[in-house]
Amino acid sequence: AAGVIQSPRHLIKEKRETATLKCYPIPRHDTVYWYQQGPGQDPQFLISFYEKMQSDKGSIPDRFSAQQFSDYHSELNMSSLELGDSALYFCASSLAQGFSGNTIYFGEGSWLTVV
Amino acid sequence: AQKVTQAQTEISVVEKEDVTLDCVYETRDTTYYLFWYKQPPSGELVFLIRRNSFDEQNEISGRYSWNFQKSTSSFNFTITASQVVDSAVYFCALSGRNQFYFGTGTSLTVIP
Repeated sequence: AAGVIQSPRHLIKEKRETATLKCYPIPRHDTVYWYQQGPGQDPQFLISFYEKMQSDKGSIPDRFSAQQFSDYHSELNMSSLELGDSALYFCASSLAQGFSGNTIYFGEGSWLTVV
Repeated sequence: AQKVTQAQTEISVVEKEDVTLDCVYETRDTTYYLFWYKQPPSGELVFLIRRNSFDEQNEISGRYSWNFQKSTSSFNFTITASQVVDSAVYFCALSGRNQFYFGTGTSLTVIP
């Protein structure tokens, strides 16, 4: 079965640069979530989209922005990168709004290293 | 407040031993869902199980079993006859109306 696809899988950027992560949800899933997982930490919710509209916002820095496109794929844009942004970034998808109970399926993650 | 507590930070067992990972949750919602995810060293988060708050029936799937007890707000996960491939970080999670909360994870190491 098709899973959540994230690209790139690995990314190295310098401080103050910009990075863009892409996410392709499971077909027919209408909700996309972004999570950030620092080393040795649990995933932290950043933001979610339902039917191309932002549905929930977590601890996403102002330097970050995201959107969901008409084909339901999503992009997370991160600007003025800081060393502390180095983390594993997960995209996840679900049917309807998963926080109400639908299972959230995660991609394999994108490793961002800021040097 | 919504909260998931996984008190066991790290567990090590010898292969073929049984191991139970504890998860205790707090919520004011009457309807909620509980999940377990596995994160192997490669990093991906793999969905294992979902349980809704109205279904306290325990579940067994192969070597995995889950014990949901509302009375103690616990959703524990047992691996029977552990294998080296079970080595991973396991996250318990809770979803309510508007949020999805992860516990801090339990790192399981199965020693051959």
